[in-house]
This record gives sequence, C-alpha cells and structure tokens, in this order.
Amino acid sequence: DQQVKQNSPSLSVQEGRISILNCDYTNSMFDYFLWYKKYPAEGPTFLISISSIKDKNEDGRFTVFLNKSAKHLSLHIVPSQPGDSAVYFCAASARAGNMLTFGGGTRLMVKP
Amino acid sequence: GAVVSQHPSRVICKSGTSVKIECRSLDFQATTMFWYRQFPKKSLMLMATSNEGSKATYEQGVEKDKFLINHASLTLSTLTVTSAHPEDSSFYICSARLTLRSEQFFGPGTRLTVL
Repeated sequence: DQQVKQNSPSLSVQEGRISILNCDYTNSMFDYFLWYKKYPAEGPTFLISISSIKDKNEDGRFTVFLNKSAKHLSLHIVPSQPGDSAVYFCAASARAGNMLTFGGGTRLMVKP
Repeated sequence: GAVVSQHPSRVICKSGTSVKIECRSLDFQATTMFWYRQFPKKSLMLMATSNEGSKATYEQGVEKDKFLINHASLTLSTLTVTSAHPEDSSFYICSARLTLRSEQFFGPGTRLTVL
C-alpha cells in the first residue's frame, strides 16, 4: 500500500514557464513533508519542506503548497530552467520516527 | 547544507563475496542514519534505520543477517552486504538526520554490481 503517491511519472515544461509537481498521501499521521531533487546515479538533494501547521512555504523559485484536508501537496517551480530537469521525489514523515516515506518520483524535463 | 559522503561510489564484486559501504556525515553529528535502496526507475526504499550505539531497525522484508549495519560513531555508519548475489545489485544510498530536525541529507550513493 503506497502511502505517498506521485501519479505523474513525467512532466515536460517549456523554459520560463511554471512546473507543478503533485503528491498525494494517505497516512494522516504524516506531519512533515519534503521535496527532493535527484539526478541519475546521485543521492537526492533536499529542496524544500513544509510542516503541517503551514499551508505554504516559499524559497526562491520553489514553493510548496499543502492541502491537509485533501492530503495533497504540490511543488511549484517558477520560472523553470533547463537545469531543473531531474527526478523529483516528495517524502513524508510522522513525528515519531522521522523516517521518510517516498513517493515514486516525477521526472521533470524543462525544454529550452 | 550538511554533507554526507559514501564510499565507494561504485563496486563490482563476485557472487558470494561481502561488500562494505561506508556512510559519513562530514560536518555534523548524526545520531540517526538511514539506508535506502533504489531499483532502476523506482523510488527509494528504506532498508533500515541506524542509531549510534544501538542495533539497527530493519524494515519488513529486509534480511538483517544479509545486510549488516553498524553505526559505531556519530559520523559513521556502515552497510555490509554479505554473500552478495546478482539480485543484490542496486544503488544504495545513505542519509543522515540532523539531531532534532527532520531533514535528511543524502550521500551520493553506491552502485553495487554483483557478477
């Protein structure tokens, strides 16, 4: 049973436009959510996080939105750049162990 | 951000041999380190949680006698794949958690190929 799902395996966006990556979760115990970016043959790189007490967190070109009632979060990248092309994983943790449960990832391709 | 290193980055071994992978937090102390495995085009699967000075906690389906984890210090955890088989070939990634914070910082990963 996948507790964290990223239903879009891939996304293609034109440079300069907005990229929106979506993530859904089922476990109501999750209270901390993170987005990671991953290049092939490298470890994930932390991008941005959000606590369940907030509904939005912004850091430069990256904004994460959390809709607790819908158990849905999204990552917005604007403007998108070719260097943003990578696989993006959302992850969630519950207060108790802080171990992360990852979604399946979405491959973002930003075309020049 | 915090830096986590892994060594080796790539290893090829014969079936039946054991391979040790090191994970180090370079500029911070990590009471907890995590070991993940990634299959091609798949998500990261948590294998075990490693706490300094105590036994690792393994996820369901992960053989603790096959994947030996030692977290001897606040900056070093090791994963030993014992009696490796070709199906153990994978990309192994460790992460370290800053104490009292939820962000995990990941190592660059180790590509294991068992012939």
